[in-house]
Amino acid sequence: AQSVTQPDIHITVSEGASLELRCNYSYGATPYLFWYVQSPGQGLQLLLKYFSGDTLVQGIKGFEAEFKRSQSSFNLRKPSVHWSDAAEYFCAVGARGGSQGNLIFGKGTKLSVKP
Amino acid sequence: ETGVTQTPRHLVMGMTNKKSLKCEQHLGHNAMYWYKQSAKKPLELMFVYSLEERVENNSVPSRFSPECPNSSHLFLHLHTLQPEDSALYLCASSQDLTGGVGTQYFGPGTRLLVL
Repeated sequence: AQSVTQPDIHITVSEGASLELRCNYSYGATPYLFWYVQSPGQGLQLLLKYFSGDTLVQGIKGFEAEFKRSQSSFNLRKPSVHWSDAAEYFCAVGARGGSQGNLIFGKGTKLSVKP
Repeated sequence: ETGVTQTPRHLVMGMTNKKSLKCEQHLGHNAMYWYKQSAKKPLELMFVYSLEERVENNSVPSRFSPECPNSSHLFLHLHTLQPEDSALYLCASSQDLTGGVGTQYFGPGTRLLVL
C-alpha cells in the first residue's frame, strides 16, 4: 500500500531564505506525485505535480520539486521565501493504473516565515 | 480555486440535526470527491464519484450519506453526527480517473462543528 511521510511537522525560515520541504513515499512503482498548499481556512491549492518525464518539476509561486527514485523522495524547494508563503504544505501520492482516483496525503508541514 | 465552490463555509449543528453540505464544480470535470480533514491527521478520502457513480466508499459511517445528482454537483448529507465528526470537509474534482488518478482541484471547505 502507498504511504507518504513528511518528517517535518513545523518549519520556520526567515524571509528571503531558501526552503526545502521533505517528502518520502512508499510505493512499488513510480507513482503520481503532488504538492499542495493550504492557507488558513482555505482549501488545498495545487503547487505542482509529477507524472513522468523530467524529474525536476516547476510549479506556481516559484516552487519546484525533484523526484528522486533512488531515495523515494519528492522534496519541494523555493530559493527565496516570501512572507505570503506561510501556510501548510501537503505532499500526496497517487497510484498508477488504478481506477479509484485515490490520493494518499502526508500529514503536512506547517511553514512559518520570520520577517 | 474558484472552480470548486462549497456551501456553507461554516456549520454548527447538534447531534440530532440533519444538514447537508453542497459542492459545485465549474471545471467540466467528471469525478468528484469528499475528504475529511481533522487536526493532526492526514486528509481522509471519504467518497469518490465518477460520472455520477460512486466508485469508492472508504468505510465511512452511515451517518454520512453522499449524493451526486450530476457531474457538477455533490452533496454530503449529515444526520445524527458525533462530536468527533467536527472537522473541515473538503470537496475536490478532477477531469476523470484516468490512470488511477487525475489532478484534483479543491474547494475551500466547510468547517463543521458538532455540539
